[in-house]
Amino acid sequence: QSVLTQPPSASGTPGQRVAISCSGSSSNLGTNIVNWYQHLPGTAPKLLIYRNIHRPSGVPDRFSGSKSGTSASLAISGLQSEDEADYYCAAWDDTLNGLVFGGGTKLTVL
Amino acid sequence: QVHLVESGGGVVQPVRSLRLSCAASGFSFSGYGMHWVRQAPGKGLEWVTFISFDGSDTYYADSVKGRFTVSRDNSKNMLFLQVNSLRTEDTAIYYCARGYYSDGWYIDSWGRGTLVTVSS
Repeated sequence: QSVLTQPPSASGTPGQRVAISCSGSSSNLGTNIVNWYQHLPGTAPKLLIYRNIHRPSGVPDRFSGSKSGTSASLAISGLQSEDEADYYCAAWDDTLNGLVFGGGTKLTVL
Repeated sequence: QVHLVESGGGVVQPVRSLRLSCAASGFSFSGYGMHWVRQAPGKGLEWVTFISFDGSDTYYADSVKGRFTVSRDNSKNMLFLQVNSLRTEDTAIYYCARGYYSDGWYIDSWGRGTLVTVSS
């Protein structure tokens, strides 16, 4: 059972917009920034969104993040086949004194 | 360009030990906190431990507390994870990752991981 809650799967067709939710509590999302990672099996995870809404250089603006209270969301617009991957939210937890991850959402591009 | 390369994984019997290493390059290693994160087969990412830039502060996940020890050698740009009393549930890919602080902590770079398999 992960501290942050994500849907296990999401899907969309090319060109569509999909959103992945991340739910936490006052000790993590309620207090600290949320970050999102994209992970393809066999590769290093990649930082997608940091400090709630910011994109590292090289990440397309099709990816956007938002946060409100103890919930956060990653949106992907103009879905492409290369977006098929696992997506994780993460935040520092002040009670556990550690980083916590969501269980991951497997995105399928139909 | 940040480059993190893990090594030291392998097949090990339960209750035995292993030492994982991470060679860092492309950045000023001594200025950054570092994490270990793992992924068990078919599971999601699980944070394991964090060590501050100078090694003075360490934090551990409850699942590894008392069995795993993180350390670093800033003179050699190396990060280590000593894993003792291994259990089958410790089987995972172990990733070395760089921590970054900007209004809060996050991981901004990852290695490709080293596989640890605990099996008799």
